[in-house]
Amino acid sequence: DTEVTQTPKHLVMGMTNKKSLKCEQHMGHRAMYWYKQKAKKPPELMFVYSYEKLSINESVPSRFSPECPNSSLLNLHLHALQPEDSALYLCASSSRTGTNTEAFFGQGTRLTVV
Amino acid sequence: DAKTTQPPSMDCAEGRAANLPCNHSTISGNEYVYWYRQIHSQGPQYIIHGLKNNETNEMASLIITEDRKSSTLILPHATLRDTAVYYCIVRVLGGYQKVTFGTGTKLQVIP
Repeated sequence: DTEVTQTPKHLVMGMTNKKSLKCEQHMGHRAMYWYKQKAKKPPELMFVYSYEKLSINESVPSRFSPECPNSSLLNLHLHALQPEDSALYLCASSSRTGTNTEAFFGQGTRLTVV
Repeated sequence: DAKTTQPPSMDCAEGRAANLPCNHSTISGNEYVYWYRQIHSQGPQYIIHGLKNNETNEMASLIITEDRKSSTLILPHATLRDTAVYYCIVRVLGGYQKVTFGTGTKLQVIP
């Protein structure tokens, strides 16, 4: 199984809503990532978890709150978002050891903030 | 991670080889060259990576120059499904991958 599964595929939320994005992998990868991608732009790194601990936060606003409850799951909790936060949110995972440490990406959640 | 430079767009006739160049003149000795692609509205997909020797897998070939300052990704027989944005990234092996994407090359395969 080389899949990274993201749910939901699409999400529309109001600026006062609280919602969560979910990411799951069963490849035994101990590094997991959140990326944000605006239209016609490359993905931008938001967070990196390594062994279920937050290792990198790329100065992301606090209205985005990541969580890694176990080695297979990664969540992104959303609260009080702005319309400019509308984007494709991508999750990825990778092995931390060995020679095959390439990242595997999910298909993303397309988020629209209204 | 070293910076990469890629042409913004390229066309390729279906069935012909697509050769996508990447310049990474500031690459360090322990940095690998990775290639990913992103088909419209999908997540990026890993293609291939290499250090200094040429590499081949079922998807593509990677040719790295002897001085390692540039590389070429070769799709031997391009199909319409290869139309995508191709990203060249250089980074060290191991640990966790802080994959930083550049602007990439938009490859259009033409029937």
